[in-house]
Amino acid sequence: SQKIEQNSEALNIQEGKTATLTCNYTNYSPAYLQWYRQDPGRGPVFLLLIRENEKEKRKERLKVTFDTTLKQSLFHITASQPADSATYLCALKTGANNLFFGTGTRLTVIP
Amino acid sequence: GAVVSQHPSWVICKSGTSVKIECRSLDFQATTMFWYRQFPKQSLMLMATSNEGSKATYEQGVEKDKFLINHASLTLSTLTVTSAHPEDSSFYICSAHYQQETQYFGPGTRLLVL
Repeated sequence: SQKIEQNSEALNIQEGKTATLTCNYTNYSPAYLQWYRQDPGRGPVFLLLIRENEKEKRKERLKVTFDTTLKQSLFHITASQPADSATYLCALKTGANNLFFGTGTRLTVIP
Repeated sequence: GAVVSQHPSWVICKSGTSVKIECRSLDFQATTMFWYRQFPKQSLMLMATSNEGSKATYEQGVEKDKFLINHASLTLSTLTVTSAHPEDSSFYICSAHYQQETQYFGPGTRLLVL
């Protein structure tokens, strides 16, 4: 069956450290993968998109890697800040227009 | 750019009534919009794909007569929850396709059916 798993439901990290979130998938052949941030009671906010032929993408303090052999994406936030505390969702897009979402990792950055 | 709005942001209604939720793309045209629902501590589940000028495509298990979708213009899609019941209480979120690749999401609508 198809699955998108994000490594842990919750992750606590000290301010200033690098947070690393994992997204693993099975039985998908994604054209690309996206990462979103969702705050409580709000809709997801788009952060980064990485295509199947790309290994790495960066945007300010964010970095995403995509390994189609391992079927895994890593999402890094460097120099983390309390304002980075939120739930982070990975989403896969296959051939159709649909996005398939993981269950999310709730990140808490401790001052 | 790529702002999506939803209205209302929250609604409380009595069981048996119908509720309409609007989704608008504010600064771009969206031929395709999507409707999701999200239960507490769960991920987003796609309910249907809304195509401007044609019928919506519903995901398996989603009743099309229960969740009516209308995409009458390139900037507006509506979801009507008909004869709402307490089990329909959820967080409903729409999104719109922007530049063929990325979906931009609205802020969501919290529905509580008493």
